[in-house]
Amino acid sequence: EADIYQTPRYLVIGTGKKITLECSQTMGHDKMYWYQQDPGMELHLIHYSYGVNSTEKGDLSSESTVSRIRTEHFPLTLESARPSHTSQYLCASSERGGGEKLFFGSGTQLSVL
Amino acid sequence: GEDVEQSLFLSVREGDSSVINCTYTDSSSTYLYWYKQEPGAGLQLLTYIFSNMDMKQDQRLTVLLNKKDKHLSLRIADTQTGDSAIYFCAESPGYSTLTFGKGTMLLVSP
Repeated sequence: EADIYQTPRYLVIGTGKKITLECSQTMGHDKMYWYQQDPGMELHLIHYSYGVNSTEKGDLSSESTVSRIRTEHFPLTLESARPSHTSQYLCASSERGGGEKLFFGSGTQLSVL
Repeated sequence: GEDVEQSLFLSVREGDSSVINCTYTDSSSTYLYWYKQEPGAGLQLLTYIFSNMDMKQDQRLTVLLNKKDKHLSLRIADTQTGDSAIYFCAESPGYSTLTFGKGTMLLVSP
């Protein structure tokens, strides 16, 4: 079944640890995105990619990095987690030329102690 | 820059109609979207409207677009408790990524 998957679903980690949030989609979409959602509901675009080997920073400055080596995979890495990184992280994908009809994963809730 | 504004909260009784309003600033937006987020989940595309349309109806959902006033609304007829969620309005300028509003939390009481 075509879908978009995020793992882990929940992550509690100590300050200073390196973490990678996984995102994979089976729809063959060219475009992929990472959003950070704060407790007040607002969504902030932190990274996006329009295809393999293409990555761009979003509107919100982020200390995270991303890579796009394969079409279906768009992992997000935090080299040194801090309490200010505590948030919900949502991955999404869309077709090229499909407007911006985004398909979202279920999210990763990250808590940094 | 682009900006999308929504009211933060709406409370209705089951069976009533709900109207969620949104204003946007970018007149070059090609599509305008409504996304729904249920508790503990990601966003789900609910419906969208092309900028040259005034209205779109899909079962209990009606989207109205007033391009002159840059105003978009989502009407949910016969609102059910399962409609309780956060609703996001978003615009797509065509040259950039989506701009989301801050979301409207809809609470439907029995």
